[in-house]
Amino acid sequence: GNSVTQMEGPVTLSEEAFLTINCTYTATGYPSLFWYVQYPGEGLQLLLKATKADDKGSNKGFEATYRKETTSFHLEKGSVQVSDSAVYFCALRDYTGRRALTFGSGTRLQVQP
Amino acid sequence: DAGVTQSPTHLIKTRGQQVTLRCSPKSGHDTVSWYQQALGQGPQFIFQYYEEEERQRGNFPDRFSGHQFPNYSSELNVNALLLGDSALYLCASSAYRTGAIYTDTQYFGPGTRLTVL
Repeated sequence: GNSVTQMEGPVTLSEEAFLTINCTYTATGYPSLFWYVQYPGEGLQLLLKATKADDKGSNKGFEATYRKETTSFHLEKGSVQVSDSAVYFCALRDYTGRRALTFGSGTRLQVQP
Repeated sequence: DAGVTQSPTHLIKTRGQQVTLRCSPKSGHDTVSWYQQALGQGPQFIFQYYEEEERQRGNFPDRFSGHQFPNYSSELNVNALLLGDSALYLCASSAYRTGAIYTDTQYFGPGTRLTVL
């Protein structure tokens, strides 16, 4: 079955530090890949997505590249801000007729001033 | 453009009771999916509705049931509540139209926090 593995948190960084959150996946075929962000007390917001190999999703300074050879979709940001503190979820959606999202367990990011 | 809305925001029930949660999809979306998010975990897929039918179901017991209305809004019903049903219930909407614009992106509502005592 499908699965998503994320690095465990919390990840604690100082403001303006470089961020990497690792995500690897197992799926049949060619899934679409997503990063969602969840701020305290809120639902999930789509951060970025990629639908095929070598695609790069980007939004608000965050980037992730769909690497089929390593089955990875690592999230990166060059300079984090305190306002980026949240829980980040990597997810996939496959094309076997099932349209459910499979999520990782989430990585909490804490950015200190 | 209104996003996905859910009601109520919070709900407290006791074991054995029944609960109904509601979701209105984003404008232009016709597919609704429900997820359960336990504290500190990623969301787990419950089921998905399209054209008023359940199209896909995750690994949840029959106590969890749903409905989709002609206006695409949806309800999630949980019977015989257990303590373990305490979670954030998320609704997500997406669009699937054969021969027209299709997106596989799901947009989430703010969730309903269910506490079972």
